[in-house]
Amino acid sequence: IAGITQAPTSQILAAGRRMTLRCTQDMRHNAMYWYRQDLGLGLRLIHYSNTAGTTGKGEVPDGYSVSRANTDDFPLTLASAVPSQTSVYFCASSPGLEVDTQYFGPGTRLTVL
Amino acid sequence: QKEVEQDPGPLSVPEGAIVSLNCTYSNSAFQYFMWYRQYSRKGPELLMYTYSSGNKEDGRFTAQVDKSSKYISLFIRDSQPSDSATYLCAMTRRSGYSTLTFGKGTMLLVSP
Repeated sequence: IAGITQAPTSQILAAGRRMTLRCTQDMRHNAMYWYRQDLGLGLRLIHYSNTAGTTGKGEVPDGYSVSRANTDDFPLTLASAVPSQTSVYFCASSPGLEVDTQYFGPGTRLTVL
Repeated sequence: QKEVEQDPGPLSVPEGAIVSLNCTYSNSAFQYFMWYRQYSRKGPELLMYTYSSGNKEDGRFTAQVDKSSKYISLFIRDSQPSDSATYLCAMTRRSGYSTLTFGKGTMLLVSP
């Protein structure tokens, strides 16, 4: 069982380019999340999805979009990347049950130049 | 005031020491408390999960919640070099389909 996979592992991107970060989970979890982690700022929630077909905004949603076409996949898109989006991006999932703990993927290290 | 405060460290201890990691929070509605461990260049992994006040023990790890003081702690007994990582506290108001509020993490270094 892989848990959560993210792709790519790392990426260098020119400003203004479009980029999609991929996230796939095989645990059949209902809820999925995207975070960015920056030195001194910690983990900040970008977008989340409680179930397939629904999404919601987190703390720092501007410049990012998500979709949840099915249970397993939750891609994060940067429509026009800017240098301030340089960060490490983590995808997470949770069952959505009473003991609702989140499980994290290995992360994508993104640099926008 | 930030919702969750956590000293960034680094906290350096010798192998075998007892380690105390702490978070304070301001929102009295938080009821579910978690500790995550994050190794360098890896994703966070869940260590402990506690509901409301009290203690919970799992091997060398003990999580403690004092809701009256809005203070949570993670104790590590007989610390090992493999415990060297960043420890993140997280909390939420309710169970199920809830977003977590994270502390910024404390870096722990255990020297042999």
